[in-house]
Amino acid sequence: KQEVTQIPAALSVPEGENLVLNCSFTDSAIYNLQWFRQDPGKGLTSLLLIQSSQREQTSGRLNASLDKSSGRSTLYIAASQPGDSATYLCAVIKAGNMLTFGGGTRLMVKP
Amino acid sequence: GAVVSQHPSWVICKSGTSVKIECRSLDFQATTMFWYRQFPKQSLMLMATSNEGSKATYEQGVEKDKFLINHASLTLSTLTVTSAHPEDSSFYICSARDLSRDRFKAFFGQGTRLTVV
Repeated sequence: KQEVTQIPAALSVPEGENLVLNCSFTDSAIYNLQWFRQDPGKGLTSLLLIQSSQREQTSGRLNASLDKSSGRSTLYIAASQPGDSATYLCAVIKAGNMLTFGGGTRLMVKP
Repeated sequence: GAVVSQHPSWVICKSGTSVKIECRSLDFQATTMFWYRQFPKQSLMLMATSNEGSKATYEQGVEKDKFLINHASLTLSTLTVTSAHPEDSSFYICSARDLSRDRFKAFFGQGTRLTVV
């Protein structure tokens, strides 16, 4: 059974810092990995999708990497801003198109 | 990008009543949709996979008679929480993929917060 773990569970940083959020999964036979953002009480917003054949994806200040062999992905946030405060979720997709989510990292960026 | 709309965004109901949540793919057809539940400060847990024109596939521990799923068209799936109880209070989210554009990327509805009193 696929298990997805995110570390840290919570993170509080001053504005401007560069951040790394970690995601690990136990079964490396995945189709792809997706990072999401969730604001309190809201749905999910897709940030980056990395297919199994890719090693990283970039969008603006966000960069996500994937190392399938070690079962790890990282989300790098450059020059963090208060508006980045949210919960960040990673999810892996395997057979059947089902996503398995990590527990999330609650990020607070202080002005 | 593809849009998934969920309705209502929040609902309060009395114990014993039933609540229906709708999930629509607005600009694409979705043969498969997924229903998730999220308890406070926890991650999303898959409840069931909704297949157009056939029975839904439920995850272990999810009562199919309590959480009725109907996927009658390629753009609409509904989740009905029957005889709701306070422990059913949660955040419910649906998701779908646009296989004609990007079969790997999941799009999510905005979620429905259900409170059973």
